Amino acid sequence: DIVMTQSPDSLAVSLGERATINCKSSQSVLNSSNNKNYLAWYQQKPGQPPKLLIYWASTRESGVPDRFSGSGSGTDFTLTISSLQAEDVAVYYCHQYHFSPLTFGGGTKVEIK
Amino acid sequence: QVQLQESGPGLVKPSQTLSLTCTVSGDSISSGGFYWSWIRQPAGKRLEWIGRISTSGNTNYNPYLNSRLSMSVDTSKNQFSLRLDSVTAADTAVYYCARDRLWLVDLWGQGALITVSS
Repeated sequence: DIVMTQSPDSLAVSLGERATINCKSSQSVLNSSNNKNYLAWYQQKPGQPPKLLIYWASTRESGVPDRFSGSGSGTDFTLTISSLQAEDVAVYYCHQYHFSPLTFGGGTKVEIK
Repeated sequence: QVQLQESGPGLVKPSQTLSLTCTVSGDSISSGGFYWSWIRQPAGKRLEWIGRISTSGNTNYNPYLNSRLSMSVDTSKNQFSLRLDSVTAADTAVYYCARDRLWLVDLWGQGALITVSS
């Protein structure tokens, strides 16, 4: 199975500052036939289901604020929140959907400093 | 908009069968060529993909659960279902049903807590 490793486990960022979350996959999730990285990011707030933020590593889902951005390719990926807002407090998960069984990272908890 | 809602017993005894149903509202389950998935989250642990089913009945299962797992779909009721046999405490989790577009899960139900205990 593809193991998804996120870092850090948690981080505290001041309002308006940048938050950066890293994700590493144990194998490349880049599909060479279409040059797409099968990597997504989800946001999960307490008591709620995960919400899709980013797919194909860098494509924002419709309605997601542009302060959220994704980057990376192959095995190393980053989710950046450019200016943290109070409503961004949540756990963020990376997810590979290239290989079955699909797998998720362990999550990164983002809090306000 | 499309919404998904899980329904199930809440409490299941060890060695028995866990059955969950997901009802899709807001659109036909058959439109859009989606697959329909189940994912679970044990308390304090990472999300675990269980499997997926198309409206024509094609399935993909997590190999770790494959021997105990079956999924079905009822397009007339706009529902799909999960059945997990011989459950243990390790199957205690919040179970989510979800929509899957080309393997990407883009929409989730609210989740149902299933506890395995005698």
